[in-house]
Amino acid sequence: DIVMTQSPLSLPVTLGQPASISCRSSQIFVHSDGNTYLHWFQQRPGQSPRRLIHKVSNRDSGVPDRFSGSGSGTDFTLKISRVEAEDIGVYYCLQATHWPWTFGQGTKVEVK
Amino acid sequence: VQLVESGGGVVQPGRSLRLSCAASGLSFSGHGMHWVRQAPGKGLEWVAVISSDGRDKQYADSVKGRFTISRDNSKNTLYLQMNSLRAEDTAVYYCAKMDCGGDCPRDYWGQGTLVTVSS
Repeated sequence: DIVMTQSPLSLPVTLGQPASISCRSSQIFVHSDGNTYLHWFQQRPGQSPRRLIHKVSNRDSGVPDRFSGSGSGTDFTLKISRVEAEDIGVYYCLQATHWPWTFGQGTKVEVK
Repeated sequence: VQLVESGGGVVQPGRSLRLSCAASGLSFSGHGMHWVRQAPGKGLEWVAVISSDGRDKQYADSVKGRFTISRDNSKNTLYLQMNSLRAEDTAVYYCAKMDCGGDCPRDYWGQGTLVTVSS
């Protein structure tokens, strides 16, 4: 199975400042169709998760443009250009190329 | 779109439970569907997926051989049959539509149903 490792696991932020989360995989996971199915999810306190970014760098519909995803190979990054209060929660990366799909451990973004 | 899970509760180790997920507002039979779980205070764990026609299924190693995913497209309902339950299966179970073929349509998640395995 592909292991997804996120860092940091806890990220104290100052509102209005940028934030960055790393996700590293134990192996490259490029699909036979050429896509890398690396997605990012947000889970606000008390809510169900929702996807923010699909296939490394594509924002889902309705996701603010302060969120961006990048990376390739085994290293991926989620960036928030200016953290807002509604961004507080836990963020997960997901490898969705090979079965079984695997999530990272999660990164808790909280106000400093 | 709504996904509504039901069937959770308290169950003794070794016993069985069946979860349901009723879908509305989407073309249910056109999408693969997933179960994802979250132990109390822990992260997300992908559990299982079933193809749109129900023929193809995949499972996490932790549940393989004990859990069975199924669907009834005539009832717009997804199921998870959980047998030989263990304490470590205690979690909130979410059903989710999160396919990403083509232009990767948006995902949808239910509110989750809590399963507690305890004697």
